[in-house]
Amino acid sequence: DQQVKQNSPSLSVQEGRISILNCDYTNSMFDYFLWYKKYPAEGPTFLISISSIKDKNEDGRFTVFLNKSAKHLSLHIVPSQPGDSAVYFCAATLLGDKLIFGTGTLLAVQP
Amino acid sequence: DAMVIQNPRYQVTQFGKPVTLSCSQTLNHNVMYWYQQKSSQAPKLLFHYYDKDFNNEADTPDNFQSRRPNTSFCFLDIRSPGLGDAAMYLCATSREGGVGSDTQYFGPGTRLTVL
Repeated sequence: DQQVKQNSPSLSVQEGRISILNCDYTNSMFDYFLWYKKYPAEGPTFLISISSIKDKNEDGRFTVFLNKSAKHLSLHIVPSQPGDSAVYFCAATLLGDKLIFGTGTLLAVQP
Repeated sequence: DAMVIQNPRYQVTQFGKPVTLSCSQTLNHNVMYWYQQKSSQAPKLLFHYYDKDFNNEADTPDNFQSRRPNTSFCFLDIRSPGLGDAAMYLCATSREGGVGSDTQYFGPGTRLTVL
């Protein structure tokens, strides 16, 4: 029973365009959502997060949108750069408990 | 640089032969976590330590144990590895463990192969 789902295993985008990574969840009680980025041979690194009381959080080129009614969040990267090529994990938490991860989306930004 | 270090990066063991994976941190964080990530799957929390308090996930097999002798080090012991235990094992730390706004910092992982 996967509570956090990333249905797109991979995504390819041209440099300079927008990358949109999607994540769906099943538990309406989740109170915090996070995105982690992982390069090969490295551990995941924190990218951006959003509280369930907000619908948008922005940090430079990265913006996360939360649609609670649809139980959906998305990460927008604008403009995309080749260095953004990595696996992106969506994760959620409940009352400060453990991170529940999705399976990840491999983003390839083509020069 | 402050960081989370995992040794070894690659570990090969034989079916049933005990193996220990190591994690150390220079961040002086209170909480240390162990995750298991199988191929194409999401990282899954096995257990964590808040300081010296051990917190096991309900579905973590008894075959998996952990030790945290001091703040800096945490070990994952697999008593009798099976073929199904082949995975990437990720160690992570956080300052206080209130996950929402308390970032977890991950090590590079140890890839375990069971022959």
